Amino acid sequence: KAGVTQTPRYLIKTRGQQVTLSCSPISGHRSVSWYQQTPGQGLQFLFEYFSETQRNKGNFPGRFSGRQFSNSRSEMNVSTLELGDSALYLCASSPLAGGLSGEQFFGPGTRLTVL
Amino acid sequence: AQSVTQLDSHVSVSEGTPVLLRCNYSSSYSPSLFWYVQHPNKGLQLLLKYTSAATLVKGINGFEAEFKKSETSFHLTKPSAHMSDAAEYFCVVSGGNRDDKIIFGKGTRLHILP
Repeated sequence: KAGVTQTPRYLIKTRGQQVTLSCSPISGHRSVSWYQQTPGQGLQFLFEYFSETQRNKGNFPGRFSGRQFSNSRSEMNVSTLELGDSALYLCASSPLAGGLSGEQFFGPGTRLTVL
Repeated sequence: AQSVTQLDSHVSVSEGTPVLLRCNYSSSYSPSLFWYVQHPNKGLQLLLKYTSAATLVKGINGFEAEFKKSETSFHLTKPSAHMSDAAEYFCVVSGGNRDDKIIFGKGTRLHILP
């Protein structure tokens, strides 16, 4: 079974631009979660989707948004990029409806650099 | 409200000696607790999880953790360190409640000395 895939793996943007990151979960997994990892703040939860519905959301500004498609693939969008948005963005999938309470399978991440 | 504290940002042990990575948590509900490992340039991998069954949880690669409610701790141990254990380890708490978030500790980087 293929693991969680994230595209692109690396991305460079400038302040004020917007960016869209993509995540394909493991086949059969319907829960997808997104995380931001930075040296200063560590790993922080962004949001979780299950069956195209956002089930849970972390404490990030509205510039961060996401969606999930009927095939469980998910996208994350960040608008009006700031320097502080530079981070590794991780996607994780789970077969469970309560994805945050069970094992999650992580992708390799997308490294976003904002100049 | 939930929180998790990893008491050491770096731990160094010699190969073949025991490993102890410390984690304390706070949760309003009976929590789910996890340890994940992140090797350089790789995604996170689940080592083990506690979900209110046995308090001593065995994981992969010889790791185990003991849930101690009275001490609100979930320390990770391994009897004998191997060079391949060098990585960053994250303690994670999730309340399992729809309104509770998942919280990651700041991480402990484990160094293995030859």
